[in-house]
Amino acid sequence: EPEVTQTPSHQVTQMGQEVILRCVPISNHLYFYWYRQILGQKVEFLVSFYNNEISEKSEIFDDQFSVERPDGSNFTLKIRSTKLEDSAMYFCASSEVQGPYGYTFGSGTRLTVV
Amino acid sequence: DAKTTQPTSMDCAEGRAANLPCNHSTISGNEYVYWYRQIHSQGPQYIIHGLKNNETNEMASLIITEDRKSSTLILPHATLRDTAVYYCIVGSGNTGKLIFGQGTTLQVKP
Repeated sequence: EPEVTQTPSHQVTQMGQEVILRCVPISNHLYFYWYRQILGQKVEFLVSFYNNEISEKSEIFDDQFSVERPDGSNFTLKIRSTKLEDSAMYFCASSEVQGPYGYTFGSGTRLTVV
Repeated sequence: DAKTTQPTSMDCAEGRAANLPCNHSTISGNEYVYWYRQIHSQGPQYIIHGLKNNETNEMASLIITEDRKSSTLILPHATLRDTAVYYCIVGSGNTGKLIFGQGTTLQVKP
């Protein structure tokens, strides 16, 4: 079964540093998403991306965050200057069609900001 | 987006059907009901969705009441691997955004 692949599985970074989280969505999917889950809390939507532009973003997704699809396969989330409260599990997802069904999520990247 | 209400936790015996309820009394006419689950700290997994008719796939069945104010996800023969947090989400098909609540923690016991 096709998978969404995320790397690294765990990243530790110093506060104020930039991090890039990487995702390889399923190859024929057109819609891409980032979510995050702070330990013990709900899964939260960050951003959706289609046709090389952001379709929708949440209030969490401020100027410190950016997304990019640099080539035909990768989808990245960049946090410019990390804060302690950015520590969370970050999930990438992709879907073939628009609409919140049939998503395939990756296994996540655990980001720890120290 | 309409809000949903789910029990915080439920137990189920292995091999039995697990019936997970969800209330969504403010659902509007064009909104679907979606079910996802999250096993331990893995990424959420899509299970099933429906508008007003009952739906069945290889994982589960979804029963939606006639007034659409509530629904039930049925796992026909629960296994230990079905232990997870189950999320009932309501939303339109116009957006890809999922709004997760706290969900129901289902514990399947031997």
